[in-house]
Amino acid sequence: KAGVTQTPRYLIKTRGQQVTLSCSPISGHRSVSWYQQTPGQGLQFLFEYFSETQRNKGNFPGRFSGRQFSNSRSEMNVSTLELGDSALYLCASSPRDSWEQYFGPGTRLTVT
Amino acid sequence: KNEVEQSPQNLTAQEGEFITINCSYSVGISALHWLQQHPGGGIVSLFMLSSGKKKHGRLIATINIQEKHSSLHITASHPRDSAVYICAVRPGAGSYQLTFGKGTKLSVIP
Repeated sequence: KAGVTQTPRYLIKTRGQQVTLSCSPISGHRSVSWYQQTPGQGLQFLFEYFSETQRNKGNFPGRFSGRQFSNSRSEMNVSTLELGDSALYLCASSPRDSWEQYFGPGTRLTVT
Repeated sequence: KNEVEQSPQNLTAQEGEFITINCSYSVGISALHWLQQHPGGGIVSLFMLSSGKKKHGRLIATINIQEKHSSLHITASHPRDSAVYICAVRPGAGSYQLTFGKGTKLSVIP
């Protein structure tokens, strides 16, 4: 099976712009979680989707949003980008009968 | 909120040494994950534990629920083990809201 894929892998945006990141889970996995990793804060949970519904949300402002499609692919959106949003954004998928997480390679976002 | 503490922050070892990385957390959990992150960012899940001990190759993970403590051991360390090892805890069944430790950077010297 193909692993979790994320696109794009690298992105440079300007303050105030918005960005959309995409995650395709492993085939058959219906849960997708998103994480932000920065040098200062480390890894932090953003949100988790299952069957197109957001089940959990981390402590992030409303500028961070996401959605999941019927094929389990997920997108996250960050509006009005700030310099502090520069980070590695990781998604992970899980099979229905397990809490195990399979991580994608990440999208490295740089905000200038 | 669960606080997750890892020690040491940095660890340098000679090839072949036995390595231990520790993780402590403050609130009861349903599961603990050990993750490995290589330079470049990719993360691999090594173990998910809710009790006892698990072994995979040269890696061993243990958890003591009463003491709120877990350890990751690497036997016969090798330079390819050089990576950041991250502990993460899950609060309760039904939640993917993992809380992460800051990670332990391991360097294994030939």
